[in-house]
Amino acid sequence: EAQVTQNPRYLITVTGKKLTVTCSQNMNHEYMSWYRQDPGLGLRQIYYSMNVEVTDKGDVPEGYKVSRKEKRNFPLILESPSPNQTSLYFCASSSHPRGEQPQHFGDGTRLSIL
Amino acid sequence: AQKITQTQPGMFVQEKEAVTLDCTYDTSDQSYGLFWYKQPSSGEMIFLIYQGSYDEQNATEGRYSLNFQKARKSANLVISASQLGDSAMYFCAMRGSGAGSYQLTFGKGTKLSVIP
Repeated sequence: EAQVTQNPRYLITVTGKKLTVTCSQNMNHEYMSWYRQDPGLGLRQIYYSMNVEVTDKGDVPEGYKVSRKEKRNFPLILESPSPNQTSLYFCASSSHPRGEQPQHFGDGTRLSIL
Repeated sequence: AQKITQTQPGMFVQEKEAVTLDCTYDTSDQSYGLFWYKQPSSGEMIFLIYQGSYDEQNATEGRYSLNFQKARKSANLVISASQLGDSAMYFCAMRGSGAGSYQLTFGKGTKLSVIP
């Protein structure tokens, strides 16, 4: 089954403790992206990757890091999480960044930073 | 810069009736794409429909259709014969063709509630 898999689905942690949210897709997609969703703000893009070793900042990259060492994986790293990073996070992928190809989303990761 | 505006934070519709969810956009790109996604209470994002800026006909997918008015920069989603399972958040999103073409810009969403 074609899918984008995020782990963990839920995480409660404390300020300053490094964490990684993993994202993996099995559709051989070149383009992957991370979003955060906050009430009343919709989804905002954090980082995106056009291919292996090619990443770029989205609209809200501060406090986050990403890497794309393999085509299928695109982990999101919070080196020193803070309470304002409490949010619902989505990973997404598509076969091509442009055109009519929709992005396929993972089921989301709900992070709470205390 | 691209911008998506969804002016209806919440809407109610009677089961089996049609409903229109509004979306207006702002871009300087000549070529762009518009998407609608559904987010049920379970949280996942489900792609519904796509409209390209050069598509001559309005997009349709089953009970979903997109009322695309390019001159007015609007891309409203029409859901016909509403069902209880249509109760969800709906997001309009846009992808441009210029410097922002690798980014998908979302509106803030409309929460649709279908009343039995």
